[in-house]
Amino acid sequence: DVKVTQSSRYLVKRTGEKVFLECVQDMDHENMFWYRQDPGLGLRLIYFSYDVKMKEKGDIPEGYSVSREKKERFSLILESASTNQTSMYLCASSLYTAMNTEAFFGQGTRLTVV
Amino acid sequence: AQTVTQSQPEMSVQEAETVTLSCTYDTSESDYYLFWYKQPPSRQMILVIRQEAYKQQNATENRFSVNFQKAAKSFSLKISDSQLGDAAMYFCAYRRTNYGGSQGNLIFGKGTKLSVKP
Repeated sequence: DVKVTQSSRYLVKRTGEKVFLECVQDMDHENMFWYRQDPGLGLRLIYFSYDVKMKEKGDIPEGYSVSREKKERFSLILESASTNQTSMYLCASSLYTAMNTEAFFGQGTRLTVV
Repeated sequence: AQTVTQSQPEMSVQEAETVTLSCTYDTSESDYYLFWYKQPPSRQMILVIRQEAYKQQNATENRFSVNFQKAAKSFSLKISDSQLGDAAMYFCAYRRTNYGGSQGNLIFGKGTKLSVKP
């Protein structure tokens, strides 16, 4: 059974804290994604990685960074958390191929910044 | 840039009835993939159905089927014999076929919340 696992389902952090959201997949997928989900806005791509140590900015990268030191792990970092980063964060992974492959998602982390 | 539009923020259906969720998209590409994802209250996004743009035949998966109108750039999802477990957020998504870098990214609509009444 394929799995994408996010380290926390709920997280409460203080403004200005450095926050790490971790995601691990066990499917040997090359691609990994971090999305942010807000009501009425759908899912928006923050960052994307298609290989170890490779990353690309998505639509809303400001205030975020990522790390991919191992193929199975993709971390999202909030350098200095702010209240406008309170949101649901979804990690996903997929194969690096032109074939019609689906993306698999983690269960999401609901982050509240106070 | 590609965009995906879901014009129905909320929909409601009676159990055992049929409901259709709308999705339109904008692209200049001729080949691409389209997906419907379901997100139940548990929050785990699950693929419902996928469609390759080069295929004229509409995809079906059990009670789920799509009406793919390429010229109109429309990709609606029909759920037949609705069940209580179908209640969820449904997201329409687009992906390019030129798989390089962030082109492998899914572009999502804003979602439709489906309620199923017993």
